[in-house]
Amino acid sequence: NAGVTQTPKFQVLKTGQSMTLQCAQDMNHEYMSWYRQDPGMGLRLIHYSVGAGITDQGEVPNGYNVSRSTTEDFPLRLLSAAPSQTSVYFCASRGQGDIQPQHFGDGTRLSIL
Amino acid sequence: AQKITQTQPGMFVQEKEAVTLDCTYDTSDPSYGLFWYKQPSSGEMIFLIYQGSYDQQNATEGRYSLNFQKARKSANLVISASQLGDSAMYFCAMRDYDGGATNKLIFGTGTLLAVQP
Repeated sequence: NAGVTQTPKFQVLKTGQSMTLQCAQDMNHEYMSWYRQDPGMGLRLIHYSVGAGITDQGEVPNGYNVSRSTTEDFPLRLLSAAPSQTSVYFCASRGQGDIQPQHFGDGTRLSIL
Repeated sequence: AQKITQTQPGMFVQEKEAVTLDCTYDTSDPSYGLFWYKQPSSGEMIFLIYQGSYDQQNATEGRYSLNFQKARKSANLVISASQLGDSAMYFCAMRDYDGGATNKLIFGTGTLLAVQP
C-alpha cells in the first residue's frame, strides 16, 4: 500500500520558473492538503481540498495554485518561483471522521535560487 | 484564532527514562482534536497519538501517552522508557471541528528530542 506519494523528492528552480509538485494517494481519502515546513516555524497549511472539485486556501496560499480533478491527485503549482518559497513541502490526506489522522507523504525539498 | 505553543525547542533525555514534551493550545471551539507527530531525521511525518476534546480518559499508544488537562489547555506527550530511536523532532497539532468540512491542522513549532545512551 503506497499511501501518499509525492514527486519529486528534490528540486532546484531558478527564480521565475514554474513547477508542479505532484501528490497522489491510494487510500480513497476525501481530504487532502499541502503544507510547507520552514525552520523554526513548524508546518503551515498552504491549500486543502475536501473532495474532488473543491479546494480552499490555508494559512499561506499566496504564490501557489491547486486543483483537485480526481480523488487521488492533488497537485501544487508554483506559478513564478521566488526564493521565499524555498522549503520542504508535504502533502497529506485523511479519511472521513474527525479523529482520523493525517497521512503524510515523504516531502519534497525545493530550493529556489 | 487557533494556536499551538511548544515552548521547548530542544530536550535531552537519558535512555530508558521518561520524558514529557509540552504543548499548550488556544481555541474558542468546544470541539477539537489534538495530535502528536514524530519527524525523524529522515524527514517523514509519523502519527503517534490522538486526543479528542470530549474524551474522558487520556490517550495511550504503547510507550506514548497524552497528559490532557483541558482546563489548562495543555496536551503534553509523555514517552516512557526512552529509546535511542526516539531521537527526533516532535510536533503537537490541533484540528478544530467547527461543524464544517475542515481539514485545517495547526502545528506547533516542534521540540527536538535527543536520547542519550
